[in-house]
Amino acid sequence: QSVLTQPPSASGTPGQRVTISCSGSSSNIGSNTVNWYQQLPGTAPKLLIYTNNQRPSGVPDRFSGSKSGTSASLAISGLQSEDEADYYCAAWDDSLNGPVFGGGTKLTVL
Amino acid sequence: QLQLQESGPGLVKPSETLSLTCTVSGGSISRSGYYWGWIRQPPGKGLEWIGTIYYSGNTYYNPSLKSRVTMSVDTSKNQFSLKLTSVTAADTAVYYCARHAPGGIAAAAAHIQHWGQGTLVTVSS
Repeated sequence: QSVLTQPPSASGTPGQRVTISCSGSSSNIGSNTVNWYQQLPGTAPKLLIYTNNQRPSGVPDRFSGSKSGTSASLAISGLQSEDEADYYCAAWDDSLNGPVFGGGTKLTVL
Repeated sequence: QLQLQESGPGLVKPSETLSLTCTVSGGSISRSGYYWGWIRQPPGKGLEWIGTIYYSGNTYYNPSLKSRVTMSVDTSKNQFSLKLTSVTAADTAVYYCARHAPGGIAAAAAHIQHWGQGTLVTVSS
């Protein structure tokens, strides 16, 4: 059972907009920044969004992040087949004194 | 371009010690402000933070693994290492080494800028 809760799966058709949620508590998302990672099949995770809503260089602006209270969301607009991957949220947890990850969401492009 | 490469045995017997090394190229492990870490992923499952180390030697471990984990840095070789003792089948996973973002530990530990390709370690007799 992960400290941060994500839906196990999400799906959309090409061109659609999909969102993936990440629910936490006051000790993690509520008081710290959220980061998102994309893991393509058979590869290492890649930083997608940092500090709630910032995109690293090279990440398309189709990807956006937001945070409100103890929850965060990743939005992908103009869905493409290459977006099919697992997505993980992560944040520092003040109670555990370490970073925690969500269980991951498998995104399928139909 | 910073690159990280994990190395170590792919098979470890139960109750023995898992030892992995991460070799950093394209940047200095001694660069001030940066943390280095280990994250693992059991087959078909999610990510789990193992621990993080600063080049000075300060360490931060996952409380659930703390009694079995030791991390160290060798600045002369631009490497950092992980030792996990008394392994069981539950420790079978892909182990990733990583570089965190600069800053304080609370901001940096969940913000991983660079990942190694990962190495599968299987615990089996």
